[in-house]
Amino acid sequence: QSALTQPASVSGSPGQSITISCTGTSSDVGSYNLVSWYQQHPGKAPKLMIYEGSKRPSGVSNRFSGSKSGNTASLTISGLQAEDEADYYCCSYAGSSSWVFGGGTKLTVL
Amino acid sequence: QVQLVESGGGVVQPGGSLRLSCAASGFTFSSYGMHWVRQAPGKGLEWVAFIRYDGSNKYYADSVKGRFTISRDNSKNTLYLQMNSLRAEDTAVYYCAKSSGSGSYLGYWGQGTLVTVSS
Repeated sequence: QSALTQPASVSGSPGQSITISCTGTSSDVGSYNLVSWYQQHPGKAPKLMIYEGSKRPSGVSNRFSGSKSGNTASLTISGLQAEDEADYYCCSYAGSSSWVFGGGTKLTVL
Repeated sequence: QVQLVESGGGVVQPGGSLRLSCAASGFTFSSYGMHWVRQAPGKGLEWVAFIRYDGSNKYYADSVKGRFTISRDNSKNTLYLQMNSLRAEDTAVYYCAKSSGSGSYLGYWGQGTLVTVSS
């Protein structure tokens, strides 16, 4: 149950696009199309942004999108806004009713 | 609307025990699996445990297996986490989260309760 690998930090200017990667193994990300992404503002609970790789829950902006290739999933945020500044975590089902999270990525909007 | 409210956190000595609760409302609690996830201070999220909708099966991260027990009381719409043999590294905010209907993601999260293991 090793954590998925995410970059520690990414940054972008308002209006730009950024992508956060999430690398796992053939036992988790690579085996299941069950990657989800969570946004967490300081002192707040995580909020679901993307599920099952690329699906957006109701109420989440279409500026957020997800994809997957092999053992790596990605979250793209387009048209960056100041309110997007937060920590982002990926999560994958890892089989046998277990889940694994990424180490988290701090997004800074310059 | 879905509401999850954790309670029971506090300061406990190493080797001690604590029971966390998560009161659920706004959905049919007995129809959904539930998770516990924790976050050590300044660190990332760590999945801790999952229980199926009817309590028939329970699953744990290796880091807590044998020490923590997840349970639920569907008549009270409440999820529990019994934590025994606590260690300093168990210090974290503990969140309960509602599983999706398909079981593929954690759809709603509570605000968390802080557990501090210290002498």
